Amino acid sequence: KAGVTQTPRYLIKTRGQQVTLSCSPISGHRSVSWYQQTPGQGLQFLFEYFSETQRNKGNFPGRFSGRQFSNSRSEMNVSTLELGDSALYLCASSFVAVSSYNEQFFGPGTRLTVL
Amino acid sequence: GQNIDQPTEMTATEGAIVQINCTYQTSGFNGLFWYQQHAGEAPTFLSYNVLDGLEEKGRFSSFLSRSKGYSYLLLKELQMKDSASYLCAVPLVFGKGTRLSVIA
Repeated sequence: KAGVTQTPRYLIKTRGQQVTLSCSPISGHRSVSWYQQTPGQGLQFLFEYFSETQRNKGNFPGRFSGRQFSNSRSEMNVSTLELGDSALYLCASSFVAVSSYNEQFFGPGTRLTVL
Repeated sequence: GQNIDQPTEMTATEGAIVQINCTYQTSGFNGLFWYQQHAGEAPTFLSYNVLDGLEEKGRFSSFLSRSKGYSYLLLKELQMKDSASYLCAVPLVFGKGTRLSVIA
């Protein structure tokens, strides 16, 4: 069974630009969660989608948004990039909603650098 | 709100036993997870506790005390490949991780 895939793996953008990251969950998984990981703050929850609906949202500004498609693939968008958005963005999938307890399977991440 | 605390770094010797502690405060409780993350890689699931007590899985064990808001991960017979960050988490909230260095 293929694991979680994320594209692109690396991305360099400049301040003010917009970026879209993509995540394909494990086949059959309906929940996709997004996290931002930085050395100082660790892994911080962005949002979770389950069956195309946002189930939970972390404490991030509205510049961060996402969506999930009918095939469970998910995209995350960050608009008006700031230097502080430089981070590793991890996607995780699980069979059911995370809040119902479920082991999450993480993708390799997208390393975003904002210059 | 929810908060998780764990030590930032630990060092242990190959072959030894190490215990990584985690304390948490949550508004509700649906279980506690431990994940392992090697440098440059994604986190991988290690264990899950929802009831008090010890869960053993090979060289790794995880303990939970819900009344104390406390958990620990116990690693036995340490190997060099165990050098990694260990993340304590409740659903959707992760601790900042404990970076374990195993030395010869």
